[in-house]
Amino acid sequence: KQEVTQIPAALSVPEGENLVLNCSFTDSAIYNLQWFRQDPGKGLTSLLLIQSSQREQTSGRLNASLDKSSGRSTLYIAASQPGDSATYLCAVRPDSGYALNFGKGTSLLVTP
Amino acid sequence: NAGVMQNPRHLVRRRGQEARLRCSPMKGHSHVYWYRQLPEEGLKFMVYLQKENIIDESGMPKERFSAEFPKEGPSILRIQQVVRGDSAAYFCASSPKTGVPYNEQFFGPGTRLTVL
Repeated sequence: KQEVTQIPAALSVPEGENLVLNCSFTDSAIYNLQWFRQDPGKGLTSLLLIQSSQREQTSGRLNASLDKSSGRSTLYIAASQPGDSATYLCAVRPDSGYALNFGKGTSLLVTP
Repeated sequence: NAGVMQNPRHLVRRRGQEARLRCSPMKGHSHVYWYRQLPEEGLKFMVYLQKENIIDESGMPKERFSAEFPKEGPSILRIQQVVRGDSAAYFCASSPKTGVPYNEQFFGPGTRLTVL
């Protein structure tokens, strides 16, 4: 059974800092991995999707890497802003099946 | 191009009542997924449907829960005789047909169910 773990559970940083969020998964037989953002009381916004054959994806200040063999992904946020404050979720889709397996998320607070 | 639509956004029910949650997928998407987010828990997969077919319901509780995606109209997640433990956020996602690269799932805003 796939287990997805996100560390840390919560993170508070001052504005302008670069930061890294971590995601680990126990079963390396994945089809893809997605990073989402969830604002309080809101839905999920997809940030980046990495196919199992890819090593990283970039979008603006965000960069996500994937090391499938070690079961790890990181989300790098450059020059953080207060508007980045949200919960960041990592989800993996298995090779067989359609269900995304989510971590519990990292709650990020960027202070002015 | 409207995203995934869910309604209602908030739903309050008393124990024993029925809850009906609706999801309209993105235009051109024929696959729908339902997930549940319990307080302090991660999102958990419930069911995957295509038009008029349930493909995978391995995450659905065996009793009181059902889902459908008719030929016309939205997908419905139905919870009969709700209990307090059903209080959660229910998210719907949709994706285009299989075989398309990436098969990314796009999520709706969720329905927050509160059972009194």
